[in-house]
Amino acid sequence: EAGVTQFPSHSVIEKGQTVTLRCDPISGHDNLYWYRRVMGKEIKFLLHFVKESKQDESGMPNNRFLAERTGGTYSTLKVQPAELEDSGVYFCASSQTLDPPVGQYFGPGTRLTVT
Amino acid sequence: LAKTTQPISMDSYEGQEVNITCSHNNIATNDYITWYQQFPSQGPRFIIQGYKTKVTNEVASLFIPADRKSSTLSLPRVSLSDTAVYYCLVVAPDAGGTSYGKLTFGQGTILTVHP
Repeated sequence: EAGVTQFPSHSVIEKGQTVTLRCDPISGHDNLYWYRRVMGKEIKFLLHFVKESKQDESGMPNNRFLAERTGGTYSTLKVQPAELEDSGVYFCASSQTLDPPVGQYFGPGTRLTVT
Repeated sequence: LAKTTQPISMDSYEGQEVNITCSHNNIATNDYITWYQQFPSQGPRFIIQGYKTKVTNEVASLFIPADRKSSTLSLPRVSLSDTAVYYCLVVAPDAGGTSYGKLTFGQGTILTVHP
């Protein structure tokens, strides 16, 4: 079974530019999550999709961040325009919808560097 | 959301059993306890999850006392490859109470296994 994949693995952009991160969840997983870790900080939740709907976007830092999951498959996270403080590692995770909850499967992350 | 507290770091030797205890005094009735492992430059990896008493899988055991205010992750006979950061998390239902969503990470416990 293929795991969660993320592209690119590393991105270096200049302040003010736009970057789009992509996440391909495990096939059949309705839940898709975005997290990020900025330098020296803890991993923070950004948002949660259930299929193509945003279930919880309480962690999105501001309106420069736009997440989409068209068709309920892969997801993109766009940062426009990027700022220096956006640098960090962006993780995507996916899971099935079960009660009790099951573990989330994380991708390897995309390391974003804004210069 | 229940806050978790766990040791910042632990040291062990190959072949020993390692127990990492986490406190979560404010855990709510519908919350679950879950543990993740993270290696450098990788995303977190789900290890084990439980609600009460004892849960065991091929990787670890999780002990949860009756009051559920703490939990202990037990790793039997650790090896050098178990050197990683271990996160204790409390998973709560989302605002609507219909599903379990975001994970709230703390600093985790840095486990170092020595030869």
